[in-house]
Amino acid sequence: QSVLTQTPSASGTPGQRVTISCSGGRSNIGSNTVNWYQQFPGTAPKLLIYYDNQRPSGVPDRFSGSKSGTSGSLAISGLQSEDEADYYCAAWDDSLKGVIFGGGTKLTVL
Amino acid sequence: EVQLVESGGDLVQPGGSLKLSCAASGFSFSGSTMHWVRQASGKGLEWVGRIRNKANSYATAYAASVKGRFTISRDDSKNTAYLQMNSLKTEDTAVYYCSRSGNGYNDYWGQGTLVTVSS
Repeated sequence: QSVLTQTPSASGTPGQRVTISCSGGRSNIGSNTVNWYQQFPGTAPKLLIYYDNQRPSGVPDRFSGSKSGTSGSLAISGLQSEDEADYYCAAWDDSLKGVIFGGGTKLTVL
Repeated sequence: EVQLVESGGDLVQPGGSLKLSCAASGFSFSGSTMHWVRQASGKGLEWVGRIRNKANSYATAYAASVKGRFTISRDDSKNTAYLQMNSLKTEDTAVYYCSRSGNGYNDYWGQGTLVTVSS
């Protein structure tokens, strides 16, 4: 069981806005920034959002991140079929003294 | 172009050892923190550990599940990070990724190497 909790699945139709949540605690999200990674089957993860809400160069502005207290969120607006992937949140945990990942959310575009 | 290339994955018996390598190019390897992250088939990502740079005394940190069995090291002269895995268990079977972080987030990832622990 992951220290960061994500709903296992999410779905939406093209053009819709979808939000994926990541619930943690005071020692991780409450004290450190949240990063989000996108992963397609059989490929390595890709950094999507860092420092809670920053997008690396090349990531479309349809992707946005936010944080409130001990929870982080990833929002995808104008959903596209190519957004169908697994999404993971991650944060440093001060108590565990390591990086922790959420269990992942599988996004399906209907 | 940034590249991280893992190698060394293999089939190994329970209780055995294996050493993975991660060859880096295209960025300042010596200034970076290097991580190992694994993923069992059909499962999520699991952080294994990290080694910081020389300025941070090459400090290491490990997940509880591998502490005492796995060791991360690096050779800045070869732009290579290593993961020495001892006392391997069947639950260590996974694709192992190396990844670099510059400022608290993993921006570059390798393609992964498969480690299978089975008799």
